[in-house]
Amino acid sequence: EAQVTQNPRYLITVTGKKLTVTCSQNMNHEYMSWYRQDPGLGLRQIYYSMNVEVTDKGDVPEGYKVSRKEKRNFPLILESPSPNQTSLYFCASRTGNEQYFGPGTRLTVT
Amino acid sequence: AQSVAQPEDQVNVAEGNPLTVKCTYSVSGNPYLFWYVQYPNRGLQFLLKYITGDNLVKGSYGFEAEFNKSQTSFHLKKPSALVSDSALYFCAVRGVSNSGYALNFGKGTSLLVTP
Repeated sequence: EAQVTQNPRYLITVTGKKLTVTCSQNMNHEYMSWYRQDPGLGLRQIYYSMNVEVTDKGDVPEGYKVSRKEKRNFPLILESPSPNQTSLYFCASRTGNEQYFGPGTRLTVT
Repeated sequence: AQSVAQPEDQVNVAEGNPLTVKCTYSVSGNPYLFWYVQYPNRGLQFLLKYITGDNLVKGSYGFEAEFNKSQTSFHLKKPSALVSDSALYFCAVRGVSNSGYALNFGKGTSLLVTP
């Protein structure tokens, strides 16, 4: 089954404790991206990757890092999480004009 | 910059009645428009898209959307709503800027279909 998977689905952490949210897709898509969803703001893009070893900032990249060492994986890294990064995060991969979204990771930073 | 606006935070419809979820867009050039649905505790699911061609686009689950260039709108419609259609709906436009080929989303409209 074609899908985008994310782990963990839920995470509660404390300020400053580094964390990684993994994302994997099995569709051989070159383009992958991360979004955060906040009430009243819709989805905003954090980072994207056009291909392996090619990443770039989206609209809200501050406080985040990504890497793309393999085509299928695109982890999101928060080196020092802060409470304003409490949000719902979605990974997505794209082919043509269709994006496929993962199930989401709900992150709470206290 | 490419953007969309969803003027309604919530739409309430009785089951069996037609529904409309509104979306207007602002783009330079030809718009690439999308509708996505998000069910509780789930990711976004693609419903339909308009790239070119017929102004009436048919999508998943009986939904359709009408592209209106003069009114810069791309409203989502369904002739007969189901309770199971209750969800969060997002309109999006493909942006080409510093975000590459990102999707720029509206704020979302919560649809509640009552029995």
